[in-house]
Amino acid sequence: DADVTQTPRNRITKTGKRIMLECSQTKGHDRMYWYRQDPGLGLRLIYYSFDVKDINKGEISDGYSVSRQAQAKFSLSLESAIPNQTALYFCATSDQGQGEQYFGAGTRLSVL
Amino acid sequence: GQNIDQPTEMTATEGAIVQINCTYQTSGFNGLFWYQQHAGEAPTFLSYNVLDGLEEKGRFSSFLSRSKGYSYLLLKELQMKDSASYLCAGRRTPLVFGKGTRLSVIA
Repeated sequence: DADVTQTPRNRITKTGKRIMLECSQTKGHDRMYWYRQDPGLGLRLIYYSFDVKDINKGEISDGYSVSRQAQAKFSLSLESAIPNQTALYFCATSDQGQGEQYFGAGTRLSVL
Repeated sequence: GQNIDQPTEMTATEGAIVQINCTYQTSGFNGLFWYQQHAGEAPTFLSYNVLDGLEEKGRFSSFLSRSKGYSYLLLKELQMKDSASYLCAGRRTPLVFGKGTRLSVIA
């Protein structure tokens, strides 16, 4: 089983809809991250959390919100989806040591 | 700023050696990661350098010079399966990723 699991793997939605992407991990890490990846732009950080009570904005948080329901779960919501949020979304985790990040398999989101 | 620069694309021949460079501003990072990402898949960890010098792991090696703000990933005996993007990331909390270098290995 994957250590970092993202659901769904693919999602097609319409403009204006609210959607949630979920991430769960079995690595026991405190730190969790959400990124989006677009061709030519690399990985861009949306939000990150260092523990259940901690939420921090990344470089592109507008239009997104997150919830850290438990150490193992970190959800990303698009309150009102728009077409330029079409992208590949990755969740990642890390511990407090070396800081190496472990990524989920990704969610491919299309907003029509 | 904490910009990380990498070439956008590279092409190399199967069986050859290729070096992918990464440069960054010298302050702010206390280590340098390299990740491999195949198209449409998750990035996976390749190497980590915290001290100056070369770290070797099989066909892959990574080098760091902290004073020069410079790192490279060296891939030897290239195989077709090495065609992927290679991401350089500065160690800070959270990590700072470069935009990646897309490597194409041709026969």
